[in-house]
Amino acid sequence: EAGVVQSPRYKIIEKKQPVAFWCNPISGHNTLYWYLQNLGQGPELLIRYENEEAVDDSQLPKDRFSAERLKGVDSTLKIQPAELGDSAVYLCASSLGVVGRRESHNEQFFGPGTRLTVL
Amino acid sequence: AQTVTQSQPEMSVQEAETVTLSCTYDTSESNYYLFWYKQPPSRQMILVIRQEAYKQQNATENRFSVNFQKAAKSFSLKISDSQLGDTAMYFCAFMKRPGAGSYQLTFGKGTKLSVIP
Repeated sequence: EAGVVQSPRYKIIEKKQPVAFWCNPISGHNTLYWYLQNLGQGPELLIRYENEEAVDDSQLPKDRFSAERLKGVDSTLKIQPAELGDSAVYLCASSLGVVGRRESHNEQFFGPGTRLTVL
Repeated sequence: AQTVTQSQPEMSVQEAETVTLSCTYDTSESNYYLFWYKQPPSRQMILVIRQEAYKQQNATENRFSVNFQKAAKSFSLKISDSQLGDTAMYFCAFMKRPGAGSYQLTFGKGTKLSVIP
């Protein structure tokens, strides 16, 4: 079974440029998460999707960050414009997330991440 | 809000020996999940072990076991018979009970474990 796929693995851009990250979750997983991981820190949630609906985006900096999950499968996270402080690893995760089955939400499977460097 | 604290930024252990990683957390919730995740240098985060707060029995997964002390809000990970492949960052994480509307993992800052041949 394929795991969570992310691309690109590495991205180097200059500040003020736009950048986009792509994530394909495990097949059949309804819940998708984007996390930000700064160097030497644990991941922090940016946004969570239940199918195509963003149900928790309270920690997404909406002035420059946007995300979408069309058709409730793969997802794109965008930054426009990027700032120096956005240099980090962006992780995508998914969980089965079956409505009414609470246990299906508590194991999240992570992708390899995209390491963003803003110059 | 929940907080997770890992007080050991780095640790090392000799191959085949046992090591214990510490984690404490703060929450007002009575029911929740605790996790240990492993992140090898390749960066893919992998779930190592999971503990449900309402279960008194400590979780075990092969060489990995936890010591869950609910009153003390402590959740340590013991790795027995350490192997070179155990070298990684280890993150302790907290999740409110399912149904609390979040499913958000709150992570500690991690402990870098090095297994020495």
